[in-house]
Amino acid sequence: DVKVTQSSRYLVKRTGEKVFLECVQDMDHENMFWYRQDPGLGLRLIYFSYDVKMKEKGDIPEGYSVSREKKERFSLILESASTNQTSMYLCASSLANNEQFFGPGTRLTVL
Amino acid sequence: SQKIEQNSEALNIQEGKTATLTCNYTNYSPAYLQWYRQDPGRGPVFLLLIRENEKEKRKERLKVTFDTTLKQSLFHITASQPADSATYLCALTGGGNKLTFGTGTQLKVEL
Repeated sequence: DVKVTQSSRYLVKRTGEKVFLECVQDMDHENMFWYRQDPGLGLRLIYFSYDVKMKEKGDIPEGYSVSREKKERFSLILESASTNQTSMYLCASSLANNEQFFGPGTRLTVL
Repeated sequence: SQKIEQNSEALNIQEGKTATLTCNYTNYSPAYLQWYRQDPGRGPVFLLLIRENEKEKRKERLKVTFDTTLKQSLFHITASQPADSATYLCALTGGGNKLTFGTGTQLKVEL
C-alpha cells in the first residue's frame, strides 16, 4: 500500500514563527504536492515538485516555500506564520499523470 | 478563468437509491478527470479516473461519465449505503501533473 505520512496531525504556532511541515512517501513517486484546504474554497495547490530539487509554484505560493532534497521527502515552510495561514495542509504524491495519494493532513493553527 | 463547479449543497438520499453527483467545468480542456472521496478530518482518497476519449468508467458500485461537449462529469453510486456518506471531489488536469479540484459535494445516505 502506498503510504504518505505527514509529521504532525495538529500544530499550534504563534504569528511570526517559522513553521516546517514534513511529508514522506514510500512509493518512489516522482511527483509531490502541497495543498491547503479551507471551508468553501476547497483544495488549493501551494507548490509541487516533479523531481528532486525541482519545484513549481501552484495557485497560492505566496508566504510559502518548499524543499525537496530527497525523492521521498517534500517539506513545506512558512517563513513567518500569519493567522491567515491557519488551515488544513495536505501533502500528496503521484506517478506521472496518475492518481494522487494523500497524507492524513496537518491542521495548523496560527495564533 | 478556469472554473470547476460542484453542487455545494449537501445531497441527502435514502439507502439503496442511486446517488448522482455533478461536476461542471468551464474554460478547460481536460485530458482527464478524477473523482476522490474525503471523510471528515482525513485526506482525499482516489476513486476513479476517466480520460477525455472515454465516455464511461465503472468500478463496483461506482460509475463515472465524462461529456466533453457538455463539459460535465456525472458520478453515480448505485445501491448506496450509509458508509458511502462523505464529501466527493472532482479534479481535472490538462495533461500535466497538476490537478485542480472542485470544492466537493457532501453526500449523506440515510437509513
